[in-house]
Amino acid sequence: AQKITQTQPGMFVQEKEAVTLDCTYDTSDPSYGLFWYKQPSSGEMIFLIYQGSYDQQNATEGRYSLNFQKARKSANLVISASQLGDSALYFCAMREGGTSYGKLTFGQGTILTVHP
Amino acid sequence: EPEVTQTPSHQVTQMGQEVILRCVPISNHLYFYWYRQILGQKVEFLVSFYNNEISEKSEIFDDQFSVERPDGSNFTLKIRSTKLEDSAMYFCASSEEGGYTDTQYFGPGTRLTVL
Repeated sequence: AQKITQTQPGMFVQEKEAVTLDCTYDTSDPSYGLFWYKQPSSGEMIFLIYQGSYDQQNATEGRYSLNFQKARKSANLVISASQLGDSALYFCAMREGGTSYGKLTFGQGTILTVHP
Repeated sequence: EPEVTQTPSHQVTQMGQEVILRCVPISNHLYFYWYRQILGQKVEFLVSFYNNEISEKSEIFDDQFSVERPDGSNFTLKIRSTKLEDSAMYFCASSEEGGYTDTQYFGPGTRLTVL
């Protein structure tokens, strides 16, 4: 079974609008961390935001926020006021707290295109 | 701001040749990782490394692969005899700790092309 599922291969948004990128996860470990990374066309992986399984509040980092719904096992990334530079491939990833020594498991990614 | 660096940015090699991909993790980080991304696909874990030994490896990381921290700053991935299917982007990452709350920071990647 997929541990991280991103069901949207591609998303389009108008500049200055908000967009939500979906991520669902599957784990039986009560301790885990969820991460979002951005991969622009240049190829590097840029860390955006983190949410821990025990965190009560949704994480926010500037224009990025994470809509964490633990019971639904979802961790959607919300980008507010989209900019042209937000066009990129976005990955959701999970680290489990067991004996996995912290490896990240990634989803398939969502390509976001921001239109002017 | 400290960052992970990787060299070379692009490596072209012939099938059957050995390649060494180099990484310099962030200086105070203790946990190191290699991932790969075949073009258009998701990022896959290869190996994690802590305290000069492999902590975990995936099924992709077979006997053709090895990792080393030769001098306390570099972290290398060696592929002994490259295959066409080894063509991918290889990312090095590091984190301060190995726990699930700690962020892994990635290098810019090395694009390996096997001909």
